[in-house]
Amino acid sequence: RKEVEQDPGPFNVPEGATVAFNCTYSNSASQSFFWYRQDCRKEPKLLMSVYSSGNEDGRFTAQLNRASQYISLLIRDSKLSDSATYLCVVNGGSGNTGKLIFGQGTTLQVKP
Amino acid sequence: ETGVTQSPTHLIKTRGQQVTLRCSSQSGHNTVSWYQQALGQGPQFIFQYYREEENGRGNFPPRFSGLQFPNYSSELNVNALELDDSALYLCASSQESGTVRTDTQYFGPGTRLTVL
Repeated sequence: RKEVEQDPGPFNVPEGATVAFNCTYSNSASQSFFWYRQDCRKEPKLLMSVYSSGNEDGRFTAQLNRASQYISLLIRDSKLSDSATYLCVVNGGSGNTGKLIFGQGTTLQVKP
Repeated sequence: ETGVTQSPTHLIKTRGQQVTLRCSSQSGHNTVSWYQQALGQGPQFIFQYYREEENGRGNFPPRFSGLQFPNYSSELNVNALELDDSALYLCASSQESGTVRTDTQYFGPGTRLTVL
């Protein structure tokens, strides 16, 4: 079983749609959670950290469910520029400083 | 831009050769982590350097080695290259202290290595 699992997609949605991505992780000791965005042939860029209480940044909302070891990202009012791969990321768990574990990524394609 | 730089941007090598990739961390960051990203996959942790010492290693063989310099820049060395080493190599910088871990890492543009 992969340590971080995501549906690779692709998700093809029209502009203005709401889309949700989900991710599960296997290490219950993980302490930090993130969503990164990666454009084709570019480096991953931090989109947002994910907190237990849930957090929102403009059109993006991230939520964490520690009991189910589940992370989600909701994008409202999709823009063409949101087309990218979204990477779910967790840290390596207690005692494993600095190791970020990435999911395979979910590809989003927003169409006009 | 994150301020993390990597060189070279692209590299072509043949099997059995050795390669050195370089990374300069963001100003004020003391920690560098290296990742390998194969096509269609998420990045995989190779190792991390903090205060010039290896501080955690992923599931990579010893022919993957690294260094960190006093100015916090870092090198990744790969010996005896194999075809499967073809990938995007990413470095990420962060600010860590003895007791505080930020976990927030900022990535450089990567070096695309092709092994023929």
